[in-house]
Amino acid sequence: QQQVKQSPQSLIVQKGGIPIINCAYENTAFDYFPWYQQFPGKGPALLIAIRPDVSEKKEGRFTISFNKSAKQFSLHIMDSQPGDSATYFCGGDTGRRALTFGSGTRLQVQP
Amino acid sequence: EAGVAQSPRYKIIEKRQSVAFWCNPISGHATLYWYQQILGQGPKLLIQFQNNGVVDDSQLPKDRFSAERLKGVDSTLKIQPAKLEDSAVYLCASTLQGSSYNEQFFGPGTRLTVL
Repeated sequence: QQQVKQSPQSLIVQKGGIPIINCAYENTAFDYFPWYQQFPGKGPALLIAIRPDVSEKKEGRFTISFNKSAKQFSLHIMDSQPGDSATYFCGGDTGRRALTFGSGTRLQVQP
Repeated sequence: EAGVAQSPRYKIIEKRQSVAFWCNPISGHATLYWYQQILGQGPKLLIQFQNNGVVDDSQLPKDRFSAERLKGVDSTLKIQPAKLEDSAVYLCASTLQGSSYNEQFFGPGTRLTVL
């Protein structure tokens, strides 16, 4: 059972654009929603995370928007740069078991 | 602080052969995970250890996959015999017990190709 659905599968934006990646979850036991960034040949690394008791969290150019009633959350990257080109995974965590990851979004930021 | 170490980085084997992967987590991290990441997909949990005990192995194909974490530190994941569909990147991750956000630290992975 896929518990976290992520879209789009791939995304191309111009430098300075604002890519948006969306995720929807089914498991209401999730209480922690991270985003991981993965570069080719590397393992994923935590980028930013949010708890369901807040609707938005910003860290630098990265913002998570969270809609608990819709069971959806999204990642926005402000002023995107070519160095942001990577694969992004959203996830859901109950705090008792391992993360459930989305299927990933391959982002390409063109110069 | 040293990160999660994995070896080998790459492995190519014939189907029906066996293979083993090794992981050394960050010092002091009690929880260790093995994930399978098939090309174009998100990581999927295979097994989770807490110290040297298994917390969750519900998605581990136990007829061919095995894993152990002796002394609660290093871990090995074995596949015997390998199938074509086992071609994937095998990621090891660890977390610090009691951390409020359960941040997982991933190693670089082992890319397995089964021919």
